[in-house]
Amino acid sequence: GAGVSQSPSNKVTEKGKDVELRCDPISGHTALYWYRQSLGQGLEFLIYFQGNSAPDKSGLPSDRFSAERTGGSVSTLTIQRTQQEDSAVYLCASSATGGWEYEQYFGPGTRLTVT
Amino acid sequence: GIQVEQSPPDLILQEGANSTLRCNFSDSVNNLQWFHQNPWGQLINLFYIPSGTKQNGRLSATTVATERYSLLYISSSQTTDSGVYFCAVTLPGTASKLTFGTGTRLQVTL
Repeated sequence: GAGVSQSPSNKVTEKGKDVELRCDPISGHTALYWYRQSLGQGLEFLIYFQGNSAPDKSGLPSDRFSAERTGGSVSTLTIQRTQQEDSAVYLCASSATGGWEYEQYFGPGTRLTVT
Repeated sequence: GIQVEQSPPDLILQEGANSTLRCNFSDSVNNLQWFHQNPWGQLINLFYIPSGTKQNGRLSATTVATERYSLLYISSSQTTDSGVYFCAVTLPGTASKLTFGTGTRLQVTL
């Protein structure tokens, strides 16, 4: 596609339920990133994929959060047993490769509300 | 960890005015990007500028990496420039994850 796409655009879930968020990177981009934007914390890094492996998971806030990437393309971020503090906009980005010299492009985000 | 501070935090301009947004960072960086987050939440790439000066239409940016700051200039502002402007940096040895600044919220009025 022309840009990074994410689905769903909005998700409302009850506390304790599991959710899956999807990201489709720009075609041909091998690096994929997840970030989170919340009112109190600003924009923060969650996890980075190069191909299907995740060399940097340092931003995942707890073991309730996991992510995978298959076929070097689509990625899914899973949050288990959601809590109210998980409410945020989850943003996905991709870049041509994982090097620092490559620009990252962002998707429109998924707004997650935990009630 | 690195601190990335932006100033001013809020800015209100009349249409047609010029402005300068600043991004200070506390440590050496490999890369710096400027983004505009529009009212719908989309992050739009403005500049990829680890050093030097770039211009794109009414916008230009300058990064002085040795002095640890970057500036974003907006000339002849328009209402469509409203939103939040973020700078984001990549640190040596941290793969390529971005560390975002605190943001500048800009409102351009008629």
